[in-house]
Amino acid sequence: NAGVTQTPKFRVLKTGQSMTLLCAQDMNHEYMYWYRQDPGMGLRLIHYSVGEGTTAKGEVPDGYNVSRLKKQNFLLGLESAAPSQTSVYFCASSSHLNTGELFFGEGSRLTVL
Amino acid sequence: GDSVTQMEGPVTLSEEAFLTINCTYTATGYPSLFWYVQYPGEGLQLLLKATKADDKGSNKGFEATYRKETTSFHLEKGSVQVSDSAVYFCALSDPTNTGNQFYFGTGTSLTVIP
Repeated sequence: NAGVTQTPKFRVLKTGQSMTLLCAQDMNHEYMYWYRQDPGMGLRLIHYSVGEGTTAKGEVPDGYNVSRLKKQNFLLGLESAAPSQTSVYFCASSSHLNTGELFFGEGSRLTVL
Repeated sequence: GDSVTQMEGPVTLSEEAFLTINCTYTATGYPSLFWYVQYPGEGLQLLLKATKADDKGSNKGFEATYRKETTSFHLEKGSVQVSDSAVYFCALSDPTNTGNQFYFGTGTSLTVIP
């Protein structure tokens, strides 16, 4: 019963390096989301996708890029990591129905030195 | 625009105490309302939900009632346990939004001491 799977779970980067976080869901959901969670700030939406081949900016998109080439996968990229991007990143997915429950991955902890 | 405001924490309670975490919302449409729980080191998981006014969501002894007149969805539990220690997030889903539908509160940290 996989649900939403994020890889990697932990990563340490140096300033200026690039990396990609992968999110995979096996529930055939239309909507997928990337959030970051920082102490005292709750969840902030980075980017989201309403279907395969589509992406849109959320609340804090700067410094990140995303792609949704396959319905089940949503990739989050950092082209040139900065210390301000040290955070815990969560992927989530939902069906297009308006009952709207979000299913979350376990999170990816990223540290940028 | 849509938003969720929830009680600031942290909250510390003794085991078997009564819990209330306040949540109010602003929405342009008729949203669904949710409480999510995040245990240490884990992702968020749905605790309960309500999809229309006057609905009561309940799970694991927690309850919340969708009050349209006061735009509130307060979380309650009659007798908390140490295992309830977690961060609780109030959220709404507004289907009238064509893009992002979900809005979260900032979370309330609960610690229950024996």
